Formats: sequence, C-alpha cells, structure tokens
Amino acid sequence: QKEVEQNSGPLSVPEGAIASLNCTYSDRGSQSFFWYRQYSGKSPELIMFIYSNGDKEDGRFTAQLNKASQYVSLLIRDSQPSDSATYLCAVKGGGGADGLTFGKGTHLIIQP
Amino acid sequence: EAGVTQSPTHLIKTRGQQATLRCSPISGHTSVYWYQQALGLGLQFLLWYDEGEERNRGNFPPRFSGRQFPNYSSELNVNALELEDSALYLCASSRLRDAAPLHFGNGTRLTVT
Repeated sequence: QKEVEQNSGPLSVPEGAIASLNCTYSDRGSQSFFWYRQYSGKSPELIMFIYSNGDKEDGRFTAQLNKASQYVSLLIRDSQPSDSATYLCAVKGGGGADGLTFGKGTHLIIQP
Repeated sequence: EAGVTQSPTHLIKTRGQQATLRCSPISGHTSVYWYQQALGLGLQFLLWYDEGEERNRGNFPPRFSGRQFPNYSSELNVNALELEDSALYLCASSRLRDAAPLHFGNGTRLTVT
C-alpha cells in the first residue's frame, strides 16, 4: 500500500514570510513527485514537479527532493494571502500502472 | 489550449439510482484518470483509461465503471448509488501513457440523497 503523508495543518504563516510544506512517502520506487494547490471547492492545480534529488526553483516556489529520506518539500517565498489554499503532495511510482498517489493535503493560511 | 472539461458541474441523485459523469481531456492527451475526493478525505484513485482501454482501477467496488471513447473522452458510471458516494469526482488527463503531470478538470459534485 503506497502512502503519502502530510501534516494536515492548518499551517499559519505571516505575509511575506517563507512557508514550508513537507511530505513523506512510503514507496521507495517512486520516481516522480508533484505539488498541487487546491482552493476550497476547486480542482487541484499543478504548481511544481520534481524528478531528481535536490532543489528545483520556479518563481517563488522551490521543490526539494531527498529520495534517501523519502521526503519532499515545497517552499513558498514572499508568501501572499492568495497562497492560502490546501497543498497536495502527489507521488508516482516507477511502474506507470496507476495514477498519482495523493497525500491528504496541508491547509496553508497566509496571515495579512 | 482548452483544459480538461467535465460535465455536469453538479449532480443530485437518490440512493439506488445511477450517475453518469463525463470528461473531455486536453487535446493530444490520451490518458484519462478518475479520482474521488470525499469531504475531509484525500484524492482516491478510481480508474485509468488509455487508448480506449481500462489500464488500472483503484480499490472501489465494481459498481464504479467507465469507458473511454475513440476521441479519448471518458465517462464514469456509478450504479446503485449509496450515500457515501457523495463526493467531488475529478477527471485528469496526461499526454503520455504512463507519465505525469496530470491536469485536472473542475470536477463534478455528486450528491446522493
């Protein structure tokens, strides 16, 4: 049973600060890792994906992957109130036989 | 380019009825995935279709079924509806057979009374 774990939060961060979201996964054969943002009542929106160990930056977002520790994180710099949402970590195994396995998400609140 | 489109937006059914949900993938995407997101729960994988065939299904009973048409659009059918089937049903598509990322539609909110 593949599992993806996230702290459900809520995680409260002051506007302008760095928000740090974390995720661990159980399947050591996982190959691809994704972060989605989901506003209440809306569908998930892809923010970042990362395949290799290390950091990947895109604008205010940085994804970090450590396969040895089975750990993925998302950093949001200069947090804005519009970043308030639920962030879903998703993992894909190497076999390609199924879709993504999602964590339950972390609810992020950016305080103005 | 147009995104993944789902219809209807909302669907209200009574227990025991059947529901049909529809999805059109992004042009050029051949894989369609269906997920269920019940209130307070994460996204649960339902079904994966690629090139017209069911490639895999999640841990759901057989009354959840579907199909993919030659134009790659897809239909999810839920028979003998139960109250706990009330959820947001999300369709996602991807370009390659076993690749991600997945791009989601806006979902169908199914309410079973």
